[in-house]
Amino acid sequence: DVKVTQSSRYLVKRTGEKVFLECVQDMDHENMFWYRQDPGLGLRLIYFSYDVKMKEKGDIPEGYSVSREKKERFSLILESASTNQTSMYLCASSLLLGPRGGPGGEQYFGPGTRLTVT
Amino acid sequence: GQQLNQSPQSMFIQEGEDVSMNCTSSSIFNTWLWYKQDPGEGPVLLIALYKAGELTSNGRLTAQFGITRKDSFLNISASIPSDVGIYFCAGRPSSASKIIFGSGTRLSIRP
Repeated sequence: DVKVTQSSRYLVKRTGEKVFLECVQDMDHENMFWYRQDPGLGLRLIYFSYDVKMKEKGDIPEGYSVSREKKERFSLILESASTNQTSMYLCASSLLLGPRGGPGGEQYFGPGTRLTVT
Repeated sequence: GQQLNQSPQSMFIQEGEDVSMNCTSSSIFNTWLWYKQDPGEGPVLLIALYKAGELTSNGRLTAQFGITRKDSFLNISASIPSDVGIYFCAGRPSSASKIIFGSGTRLSIRP
């Protein structure tokens, strides 16, 4: 079974604080992703990584950065948290190649971190 | 950008009824995925489809990859209370490597 774990289920931080959200997967997946989920807006991709030390911006990267120093770990960093970053943050991972050799599609999600910035 | 239209947005049905929901796109997709999300949890992958016309079951759940490659359907037979949650479709367009998610169908069940 694929397992994706996130460092915290619930987090409360103050405006201006630096926030680290960590994600670890145990299936040797090449791809890792960070999403945020807000009511009415669905899942929005913040950043993704297809290899160690590689990162690509998603649809809403502003205010966030990421770090991937090891294949199994992908960190999301909020340099200076703001109230509009209050959200559910979801990490996911997938294989680089899919079942027939094409780009991997099946993303496996962690349980999520509900972040509140006050 | 490319979008997925998922419908219905919400459903409120009687326990034991069958459920159908679908996702459509204006472009061709190579992969269709269906997820379920319980409150406060991350989405869990239910079914993955990779070939046009493919029909795959997972217990009482059945999903199909539409033959036009622009849609997918999820059916749940004989619904039970634990089926409650939000169901998301997701797909990978043939012209892109990114997965796109639908906005979800919220399923509620009357006991």
